[in-house]
Amino acid sequence: DGGITQSPKYLFRKEGQNVTLSCEQNLNHDAMYWYRQDPGQGLRLIYYSQIVNDFQKGDIAEGYSVSREKKESFPLTVTSAQKNPTAFYLCASSQAGDYEQYFGPGTRLTVT
Amino acid sequence: DQQVKQNSPSLSVQEGRISILNCDYTNSMFDYFLWYKKYPAEGPTFLISISSIKDKNEDGRFTVFLNKSAKHLSLHIVPSQPGDSAVYFCAASDGGSQGNLIFGKGTKLSVKP
Repeated sequence: DGGITQSPKYLFRKEGQNVTLSCEQNLNHDAMYWYRQDPGQGLRLIYYSQIVNDFQKGDIAEGYSVSREKKESFPLTVTSAQKNPTAFYLCASSQAGDYEQYFGPGTRLTVT
Repeated sequence: DQQVKQNSPSLSVQEGRISILNCDYTNSMFDYFLWYKKYPAEGPTFLISISSIKDKNEDGRFTVFLNKSAKHLSLHIVPSQPGDSAVYFCAASDGGSQGNLIFGKGTKLSVKP
């Protein structure tokens, strides 16, 4: 059945290392998004992509990078430049023109 | 500055009673509003939405009310059930920004048996 998958569920890294979070969707959605959630906070937009090979920065893009080489995939790289990388990362997708976004299960990244 | 505000971090309600979750916004260009429900360590799931051309939308036990003049919306859950215990996020879109949603900080609802 259709949905969004994020892997892994939990990820641990040492400070100074880059890490890539996976996001795959088989909903045939055009748009994909990456959010970050911190305790007691809402979801903050990191990057979004409306179409393959195109993406835009969200509100907190510094220290992150993305690629959109395939419609179904939108990986997020957390670079060593991100000052506070420990967080819960959520990927979402939506159909072009729709407001409703569908979310994956999330990846909890812990950097020590 | 927060454009979508959920001023109550938490709410506790008895099973069977009504739960009312509130959300305020500042951007008059917002024309679509959504509520999401989130359990710990999971992604949010869409609950209900409302367009700015309406003032009420109902889906089973869930009703969303929109007061545009007050820039306020609320989610009513009747009757509340223990399984409704979760964090509820209010989100808004202005139709532009390529469909991006602005989220509030969430309200943690606890429904006690």
